[in-house]
Amino acid sequence: AQSVTQLGSHVSVSEGALVLLRCNYSSSVPPYLFWYVQYPNQGLQLLLKYTSAATLVKGINGFEAEFKKSETSFHLTKPSAHMSDAAEYFCAVSNTGGFKTIFGAGTRLFVKA
Amino acid sequence: DAGITQSPRYKITETGRQVTLMCHQTWSHSYMFWYRQDLGHGLRLIYYSAAADITDKGEVPDGYVVSRSKTENFPLTLESATRSQTSVYFCASSYTDRGRGNEQFFGPGTRLTVL
Repeated sequence: AQSVTQLGSHVSVSEGALVLLRCNYSSSVPPYLFWYVQYPNQGLQLLLKYTSAATLVKGINGFEAEFKKSETSFHLTKPSAHMSDAAEYFCAVSNTGGFKTIFGAGTRLFVKA
Repeated sequence: DAGITQSPRYKITETGRQVTLMCHQTWSHSYMFWYRQDLGHGLRLIYYSAAADITDKGEVPDGYVVSRSKTENFPLTLESATRSQTSVYFCASSYTDRGRGNEQFFGPGTRLTVL
């Protein structure tokens, strides 16, 4: 069985500060890992994905995530937060042989001016 | 315009009524999904479909019915709406090239309120 745990339902940072959103996964098979972002009143859209090609994955809007197998983690980072980054972020896992995706509970990011 | 659309975007109904939420995608993706999003629960899978005429239950299927007579459409029906079905519903689709990671593409959502 697969699962995803996002540490912290809310994270608040100042504009220009580092963004770190934590995600740990559980999977008995090699996983695919994803980060999605959801802006208010919109559907989820893909930020980045890990498909085993490279452990450091770069996504849109300056975000990146590093796959660490030993820690079963896939934390999302951005060096400098912007007001427009305020949104909810979801970590997700699927297995390399399947199509069903398990989503974490989400982390809402607040960016203070 | 290409993409995945949902209708209606907002719906208010009463307990016991039948409601159908529509989902349409223009990419010819094989897989389609219905999720509900509730505070504190993230996204929960209701039903999914691997192709036309192939559907299966997800995590929370009770009280819902789906059909998929055409690849591009995947309607979700609440046969007799209950207050616990008040939620935001998202439709998503995905291609079948597993080597590329099976990312899902989401519609804008339908906010359903059951009074």
